[in-house]
Amino acid sequence: DQQVKQNSPSLSVQEGRISILNCDYTNSMFDYFLWYKKYPAEGPTFLISISSIKDKNEDGRFTVFLNKSAKHLSLHIVPSQPGDSAVYFCAANSGGGTSYGKLTFGQGTILTVHP
Amino acid sequence: GAGVSQSPSNKVTEKGKDVELRCDPISGHTALYWYRQSLGQGLEFLIYFQGNSAPDKSGLPSDRFSAERTGGSVSTLTIQRTQQEDSAVYLCASSQDANYGYTFGSGTRLTVV
Repeated sequence: DQQVKQNSPSLSVQEGRISILNCDYTNSMFDYFLWYKKYPAEGPTFLISISSIKDKNEDGRFTVFLNKSAKHLSLHIVPSQPGDSAVYFCAANSGGGTSYGKLTFGQGTILTVHP
Repeated sequence: GAGVSQSPSNKVTEKGKDVELRCDPISGHTALYWYRQSLGQGLEFLIYFQGNSAPDKSGLPSDRFSAERTGGSVSTLTIQRTQQEDSAVYLCASSQDANYGYTFGSGTRLTVV
């Protein structure tokens, strides 16, 4: 029972263009969503998050959009840079609007940004 | 320390042997989590500690898996009678600020042969 799904195993974009990574969830109790980035042989690093009371959160080149009715969120990276090449994980929890507690992760999307 | 430290970074063990994986969280972080990532899979939750107690251990796959945390700091994950399906990267994370995601360690890559 995959409650958080990232249906695209990989994405390839040109440097300077927009990268859009997608994530769908099925559990309506989820109220906090996060994106992590992972380089090989390293642990995932926190990138950006959004609470279910918002529909958009922006941090520099990274923006996360949440569509609760569709149970869908997306991460936009603009402009994409070669250093953004990594595995991106979407995660969710029902921690009362915080990041505490168990996170449910998607399978990850491998992003490759070509120079 | 500055980050979450896990040891060993790599462990190869024979099927049936016991292994212990160690996690040193960031100083002052009260919440500690164990996850694992099997080949081609996402991160799978194992157990969550708040202080020394484990309010959520629902992700431990079997009674061969156990974990403890002492002094509100170091945690060890023990796998008894290892099986080949236990092969994975075991990740530890800690958290203090409720508004930000966890900080993960680099993980222990466990290979059961």
